[in-house]
Amino acid sequence: DIVMTQSPDSLAVSLGERATINCKSSQSVLYSSDSKDYLAWYQQKPGQPPKLLIYWASTRESGVPDRFSGSGSGTDFTLTISSLQAEDVAVYYCQQYYNTPRTFGQGTKVEIK
Amino acid sequence: QVQLVVSGGGVVQPGRSLRLSCAASGFTFSNHGMHWVRQAPVKGLEWVAAIWFDGSNKYYADSVKGRFTISRDNSKNALYLQMNSLRVEDTAVYYCARESGNVNDYWGQGTLVTVSS
Repeated sequence: DIVMTQSPDSLAVSLGERATINCKSSQSVLYSSDSKDYLAWYQQKPGQPPKLLIYWASTRESGVPDRFSGSGSGTDFTLTISSLQAEDVAVYYCQQYYNTPRTFGQGTKVEIK
Repeated sequence: QVQLVVSGGGVVQPGRSLRLSCAASGFTFSNHGMHWVRQAPVKGLEWVAAIWFDGSNKYYADSVKGRFTISRDNSKNALYLQMNSLRVEDTAVYYCARESGNVNDYWGQGTLVTVSS
């Protein structure tokens, strides 16, 4: 199984400041045949299901604010919130969909400082 | 709009069975693979099972293989998870999720399954 490790486990950021979450996979999730990274980011607020933010490591889902961006390739990925808003308080998960079992990172809790 | 409504959760004793349902609407259900993902209380997300758009292939997490069965009825726009031999560690909120372009783009609200004596 591919192990996904996120860092940090939690972070507190001031409103309007940048938040950066890292995700590392135990093996590459870059599929050579299509040159795509099979990596997604989800946001989960309390009492709600996860919401897809980013797929193919850097493609923003329709309707997701452009302050959210994804980067990285192979085994190392980053989710950046360029200017943290109050509504961004949530837990963020990375997930690889390169193979089954599809595995998630342990989650990163983002709070307001 | 896409809707996934999960039902069937509840409290069940260890060793018993439960069947979850996920009613889909707002999209062509038979065109999409579907997944079950669970989340234990105050824990992270764990992928449970997946089924192809036509039901021809199914995949399971090792933790549920041999005990859980994923199925679908495209004529009813419904996804199911039959859970047998339930264990305390199966206690979780169970979500169904649509697959589109390989990724899970829509998720249902989830249903809580509590396994306790």
